[in-house]
This record gives sequence, C-alpha cells and structure tokens, in this order.
Amino acid sequence: DVKVTQSSRYLVKRTGEKVFLECVQDMDHENMFWYRQDPGLGLRLIYFSYDVKMKEKGDIPEGYSVSREKKERFSLILESASTNQTSMYLCASSLVGGIQYEQYFGPGTRLTVT
Amino acid sequence: EDQVTQSPEALRLQEGESSSLNCSYTVSGLRGLFWYRQDPGKGPEFLFTLYSAGEEKEKERLKATLTKKESFLHITAPKPEDSATYLCAVARNSGYALNFGKGTSLLVTP
Repeated sequence: DVKVTQSSRYLVKRTGEKVFLECVQDMDHENMFWYRQDPGLGLRLIYFSYDVKMKEKGDIPEGYSVSREKKERFSLILESASTNQTSMYLCASSLVGGIQYEQYFGPGTRLTVT
Repeated sequence: EDQVTQSPEALRLQEGESSSLNCSYTVSGLRGLFWYRQDPGKGPEFLFTLYSAGEEKEKERLKATLTKKESFLHITAPKPEDSATYLCAVARNSGYALNFGKGTSLLVTP
C-alpha cells in the first residue's frame, strides 16, 4: 500500500512566522504535490515536483515555496504566514509511467494562523 | 479551461436507498477521471480511475461509470459508513496534476 505521511495533523502559528510542512512517501513516486483545501473552493494546487530539485508552480503559489532534496520528501514553506493561509494542506504523490496520474494523499495538516 | 462540476452538492439517503452522484467534465483529450472518498478531517482516499467512455469499475457498493462528458458514481444499498464527501478529478492536459470538483457530501442515515 502507498503510504504518504505528513509531519503534523494540526499546527497553530502566528502571523509572520516561517512555517514548514513536510511530506514523505514510501513508494518511490517521482511526482509529489501540495494542495490546499478550503470550504467552497475545493482542492487547489499550490506546487508540484516531478523530480528531485525540480518544481513547478501550481494555481496558487503566491506566499509559498517548496523544497525537494530527496525523492521521498517534499516540503512546503510559508515564508511569512498570514491569516488567509489558514487551511487544510494536503500532500499527494504519483508515479510517472504505468498507472500515472493516480494520486495518493496524506492525512492532511490543519494549519491555523492567528 | 478544464472544468469539473459535481452534483448534487449534498445528498441525504436512507440506509438501503440507492442513488447516483454526477461528475461533469470538460477537457480536451481525457487522460483519466478519478474518484476519491474523503472523510471529515482526513485526506482523500483513492477509489477508481476511468480512462475511456463505456468503462466501469466496481468496489463493494460503489460503481463508477464514464461517458464522453460525465461520470456517475452509483451507490447501491448504501450503509451509514458510506457517509463521506466524494470527489471527482480529471488529469490536466499537461503535466501530472489533477483538476478537482468541489465534491458531493453524502449522508446515509440508519
């Protein structure tokens, strides 16, 4: 079974803090993704990575950056947290080749910025 | 622009009352349509992938079907444990990302 884990289930941070969200997958997937999920807006893609050190912006990258130094690990960084970044953050991974596009999600991190 | 629309937004069923959820999509060259289940406070759980019109997939009380413009998730004789939000997504035309619909929140009462 594919397993995607995220470093925290719940996180509370103050405005202006630098926030790190980490995601690890154990299935040797090439692609990794960060989404945020908000009521009424659904899942929106922040960033994705198709290889180590490679990244591409998604639909809402402003205020975020990412890092992928190892294949299994993909980090989302909020450079200076703001209250409008309060959300559920979801990490996912998928293969390249074979049954590609099928994404497997982690349990999510509920981030509250006060 | 690729779009995914799910209906209804919310559905309440009695236990045993079969129904269907709809996912309409507009994408040039479908590269995959995906169904997920999401429980409150958790990440989406992968259910099915459909690639071409006419394809069907089944899992327990769930059956997903696909036409050229929409997909249906049929729920037969649902149980309370089927209560969840069901998400539909399509693969984008480029890259490996998915476009998600906003989901259908299903509540099955005893």
